[in-house]
Amino acid sequence: AQSVTQPDIHITVSEGASLELRCNYSYGATPYLFWYVQSPGQGLQLLLKYFSGDTLVQGIKGFEAEFKRSQSSFNLRKPSVHWSDAAEYFCAVAAYSSASKIIFGSGTRLSIRP
Amino acid sequence: NAGVTQTPKFRILKIGQSMTLQCTQDMNHNYMYWYRQDPGMGLKLIYYSVGAGITDKGEVPNGYNVSRSTTEDFPLRLELAAPSQTSVYFCASSYPSSDALSSYNEQFFGPGTRLTVL
Repeated sequence: AQSVTQPDIHITVSEGASLELRCNYSYGATPYLFWYVQSPGQGLQLLLKYFSGDTLVQGIKGFEAEFKRSQSSFNLRKPSVHWSDAAEYFCAVAAYSSASKIIFGSGTRLSIRP
Repeated sequence: NAGVTQTPKFRILKIGQSMTLQCTQDMNHNYMYWYRQDPGMGLKLIYYSVGAGITDKGEVPNGYNVSRSTTEDFPLRLELAAPSQTSVYFCASSYPSSDALSSYNEQFFGPGTRLTVL
């Protein structure tokens, strides 16, 4: 069965510092992978997605993620974080079905130190 | 477009009461979903629908019911509320995949309903 692991529950970085959020997936075939962001009191918004092709994927708000099949990872990165990036970040993998169902990781809460 | 809207935003129920969480989307999406989000647990799929008149169970359907009489609306019903159903509930919608092997479309989320059962 598909699964997603986000090993870091909470991360704090200083404003302007670089960021990397970890995500590992378990899937028997080529995965469809996503990163979503949830600002406080809001629903989820898609940051980026990977289906195939270039393993470095660019998203909105200056985020990028790199798919590494050998490590079963899809880590999210940003070169310089802003205070507005404080949020909960979810990695997700698409379940192989015709209903576009996806399975979410447990999330990583990002705090920004002024 | 308003996107995906959910009502109410907050609700407190007593054990055994019933209620319906409303979800409406104006993007003409065929697929709609209900998730619950518990602290530290990510989102779990409750029910989903691939079109009007068609619904199916997700990962955690027990204690819930859904209906899909129109493309726009996908209400979630709690018949006998229990403390274990205290959670934040999210509705989402997406276009159908034109090809299950080629792409999965983005899911658009509503702002959520925070439900407490006492």
